[in-house]
Parts: sequence; C-alpha cells; structure tokens
Amino acid sequence: QKEVEQNSGPLSVPEGAIASLNCTYSDRVSQSFFWYRQYSGKSPELIMSIYSNGDKEDGRFTAQLNKASQYVSLLIRDSQPSDSATYLCAVNLSGGSYIPTFGRGTSLIVHP
Amino acid sequence: GAVVSQHPSRVICKSGTSVKIECRSLDFQATTMFWYRQFPKQSLMLMATSNEGSKATYEQGVEKDKFLINHASLTLSTLTVTSAHPEDSSFYICSAEQLSGANVLTFGAGSRLTVL
Repeated sequence: QKEVEQNSGPLSVPEGAIASLNCTYSDRVSQSFFWYRQYSGKSPELIMSIYSNGDKEDGRFTAQLNKASQYVSLLIRDSQPSDSATYLCAVNLSGGSYIPTFGRGTSLIVHP
Repeated sequence: GAVVSQHPSRVICKSGTSVKIECRSLDFQATTMFWYRQFPKQSLMLMATSNEGSKATYEQGVEKDKFLINHASLTLSTLTVTSAHPEDSSFYICSAEQLSGANVLTFGAGSRLTVL
C-alpha cells in the first residue's frame, strides 16, 4: 500500500472555478502535512502547511485536514490559468523520520 | 526566506562519465540537506540525507558508490553521479529544512541530467 496517494489527474477546471485536490495517507499518527506546487520542469515550492484538524486558509488557498479519515485536501478558489501545475501532497510519516514523503502529484489544468 | 541554490540546472554527458551537482544554502546554515530524484510524471523520491561532517544516509535501493554525496561545509552539499548511464537521466533536486523548522523544505531549482 502506497503511503501517500493522490489521483494523478489531470484535473481540468474552468477559470474562476474552485479546484479541489485530494490526498490520502496510510500512517494514522502522521502530524505534519504539506502542499507543494510544481510547474513543469521546475522544483516544488511550498503552498501550504497544516498540522491540526480543520481548515487553514491563505488567500485563494484552503487546506483541509481530517486525521480520523486520513486525508488532506487543497482547495483553490477563483482558479487562474497560472495555477496550472502539479500539486504534490507531502506527509511526515511516523517512524522517527522528519523528512516528508511525497505523493506522485495531481496535475491541474485551468482553462480560460 | 531561506534560499537554496543548485547548479548546474542542466547537464548533458556521455555514458561512463561523472557529473557533479552542487547545492548551496544561501544566508543560512544547513547541517542537513536532502537529495531527491524525480523521473517524468513520477513523484519525488528521496535518495539520501546529507549530513555536514559525516557520512550521508542513503535510502534503500540507492547505490552509495554510484551517487557520492559530500557535505563538507554548513552551506554546501554535492552529489556526484559516477559512471553515469542513460538510466540515470533524471531531475535531481536538493533541499534543506527552512530555518523555521516545522519540517518545511526549501528546494533548489533542480538539475536536469541527460546521459547520452
């Protein structure tokens, strides 16, 4: 069983819509969760981090964490074509490592 | 914020040669850096953890004699791909933990290696 799972997509949404990206993880005791954005040919950049259950909002981005159900999601409101990228979910799994484990990413396409 | 500089951004080499990639932390000291590899449409795979002044810790399946890591100072880690082969062609990315900690990583720009 993969430790951090994401639908590879592509997820296609029209400009101005809400894009919803989901991620599930296998380790129930994970404590730290991250969303990174990666443009084609570039390295990842941090979008959001979340550590406790509930919602965390930053501008057009909202991260949602549900530890009981072991999923974390990212909502992008008012999606723009510049949001088109691959979104990587990363989770710090238990076992003593503080290095996050990455999902394979979801490709998002925002079309005008 | 923390900046990690990585170069070269692109390198093309012949099979059997060695390639060195440098990763520098700018304006902060990174006792630990991480090297990732990413194949097309695949996730980031951790290759090794680079520790300043000591041996690197390699992930299972990563050949330490092929991927030499040196972390000789608090701001510089290098990855050398020795005797490179076409299957080593990939996107190599280094990272360091941000000063704020909390397990947040800052990534270098990545190095695209193509082995002919």
